[in-house]
Amino acid sequence: GAVVSQHPSRVICKSGTSVKIECRSLDFQATTMFWYRQFPKKSLMLMATSNEGSKATYEQGVEKDKFLINHASLTLSTLTVTSAHPEDSSFYICSARNLGLAGVSEQFFGPGTRLTVL
Amino acid sequence: AQSVTQPDIHITVSEGASLELRCNYSYGATPYLFWYVQSPGQGLQLLLKYFSGDTLVQGIKGFEAEFKRSQSSFNLRKPSVHWSDAAEYFCAVGERGSHGNKLVFGAGTILRVKS
Repeated sequence: GAVVSQHPSRVICKSGTSVKIECRSLDFQATTMFWYRQFPKKSLMLMATSNEGSKATYEQGVEKDKFLINHASLTLSTLTVTSAHPEDSSFYICSARNLGLAGVSEQFFGPGTRLTVL
Repeated sequence: AQSVTQPDIHITVSEGASLELRCNYSYGATPYLFWYVQSPGQGLQLLLKYFSGDTLVQGIKGFEAEFKRSQSSFNLRKPSVHWSDAAEYFCAVGERGSHGNKLVFGAGTILRVKS
């Protein structure tokens, strides 16, 4: 099956620094990747849709200048949390879209990145 | 806008017992429907999906789900639960117009299995 990796799996940083999270589709090309945020004991909330070669589409309430998304190739999307603060601490999960039968897509999820901002 | 409701936050079942996790959705048309499982600190694994056709869908690990349009439900079932099934389960709805791209997730149901 389709595999999506994320790096790093865990990161701890000081307040005010920036953190980059990578999302890679390992055995398929993904024109579209998605970034989700999961708060403790909560569901996943879509942050943005990342399209290869174009600007990301952010969901309402997500600061695009704080959460920078770059989809540089068909297998790599990055999320950079700029000037991180403790309230940005969360579990960030990416997914990649693989177009399946009859043009219906399926999302494959990465293992997630636990960000802790001190 | 579409929404997903998973009424049960926690469910505890005995190993070997049957399981049903509830999911209700709100959507103007027939949606794409998914069930995912998440183990602690892990990403999501797709258990099964419904796009069209037979309303009873078989998935991995012995799970199945039934789409009931009249009840706007997509409940997940398993006839005999194993201890390794303990995890959190998410129901999700995908918009048809976007090839199911944009997923809306329910709040999740945590399954505990007692021996």
